[in-house]
Amino acid sequence: GAGVSQSPSNKVTEKGKDVELRCDPISGHTALYWYRQRLGQGLEFLIYFQGNSAPDKSGLPSDRFSAERTGESVSTLTIQRTQQEDSAVYLCASSLAGAAAYNEQFFGPGTRLTVL
Amino acid sequence: AQSVTQPDIHITVSEGASLELRCNYSYGATPYLFWYVQSPGQGLQLLLKYFSGDTLVQGIKGFEAEFKRSQSSFNLRKPSVHWSDAAEYFCAVGAYEGSTLGRLYFGRGTQLTVWP
Repeated sequence: GAGVSQSPSNKVTEKGKDVELRCDPISGHTALYWYRQRLGQGLEFLIYFQGNSAPDKSGLPSDRFSAERTGESVSTLTIQRTQQEDSAVYLCASSLAGAAAYNEQFFGPGTRLTVL
Repeated sequence: AQSVTQPDIHITVSEGASLELRCNYSYGATPYLFWYVQSPGQGLQLLLKYFSGDTLVQGIKGFEAEFKRSQSSFNLRKPSVHWSDAAEYFCAVGAYEGSTLGRLYFGRGTQLTVWP
């Protein structure tokens, strides 16, 4: 595709519900990253995929958060039993090759999650 | 541990004035450094990056940044600001070794307002 796309663009949910956020990376990009951006904060790393495996999950804030990637393409970030502190913009990025800081990460527009 | 500090939360400049956005980092070795810009409703866009070599790097939209190892800084500059530069700017450092390979660490961002 032309760029990284994410859906939905906005999601409002009630506390305790589960949500799924989707990321479609640029075609051919093998590395995929999820970040979280809370209001007034910088981006916070959540998880990194190389292909379909996740060598680095250390940024996931709790076991309510999980992510998967299939077909070396689409990734889904799932938040179970959402809490109000999960409210944030969730950003996805992809890069051409394996994990390396010199591989430019291209970011999607994000999903704004609001937990009531 | 890696970290990035952007001391200015909000900066206001007049159109045509010069701009400098500050960024200080903490990293154990020579870092990979980045500046991203985020406009409302848009994903992050890479302005410029530093990996090695010449410490003054040129980016898109007339921006430049200078890496100063002695000051652990990577300040972003533009000689003459345009109204379209109003956005949020993020400095980031990239890990290039170990278990955090490829991950970006972001500062909290600086919101730039441009007066006509």
